Amino acid sequence: NAGVMQNPRHLVRRRGQEARLRCSPMKGHSHVYWYRQLPEEGLKFMVYLQKENIIDESGMPKERFSAEFPKEGPSILRIQQVVRGDSAAYFCASSPNRGNEKLFFGSGTQLSVL
Amino acid sequence: AQKVTQAQTEISVVEKEDVTLDCVYETRDTTYYLFWYKQPPSGELVFLIRRNSFDEQNEISGRYSWNFQKSTSSFNFTITASQVVDSAVYFCALGVSGAGSYQLTFGKGTKLSVIP
Repeated sequence: NAGVMQNPRHLVRRRGQEARLRCSPMKGHSHVYWYRQLPEEGLKFMVYLQKENIIDESGMPKERFSAEFPKEGPSILRIQQVVRGDSAAYFCASSPNRGNEKLFFGSGTQLSVL
Repeated sequence: AQKVTQAQTEISVVEKEDVTLDCVYETRDTTYYLFWYKQPPSGELVFLIRRNSFDEQNEISGRYSWNFQKSTSSFNFTITASQVVDSAVYFCALGVSGAGSYQLTFGKGTKLSVIP
């Protein structure tokens, strides 16, 4: 049973470009969560999605950030017009049910904005 | 609101020494869950343990052990006979029951360096 798959592992963007981060949850998991880890900080919750629905986006910045989890395919975290402050590691987690009982994280995408 | 404090930013030990990583949490919820994750230099987050608030039994898994003390709101992690492969950043995290249970609150992490 493959784990949570995130790609790319590393993404370099110039200021003003768009970044698209992908996350494929574990098989059988329909709940996806995105977290952001700023340098020397713990992970911070961004958004919780189920298939085709955003359940809670209370941790998402109000502008430039969006997330989706379509019926088919991976979940996408999209950052438009990136700025240097967006440089961070972005982790995706998935679970079979709502909640934290079985919450598995991917290896993360390290976004670097030049 | 939830809060997790890992007061030790960095710890260095010599191989084979025991080391304890501290974690103090704050929550008003009576049902909650505590986690430890390991983040090796490669960057992935490795799940180590999940403990619920009703279970104060200490847990041992090989060289790892966890001491949960509700009276002091602490969930400390001890590595016995440390090895170089234990070098990593260790995160303590808190999750609550019910609405919002999917939001884990993480501490800032403790970077452990095990010197051969």
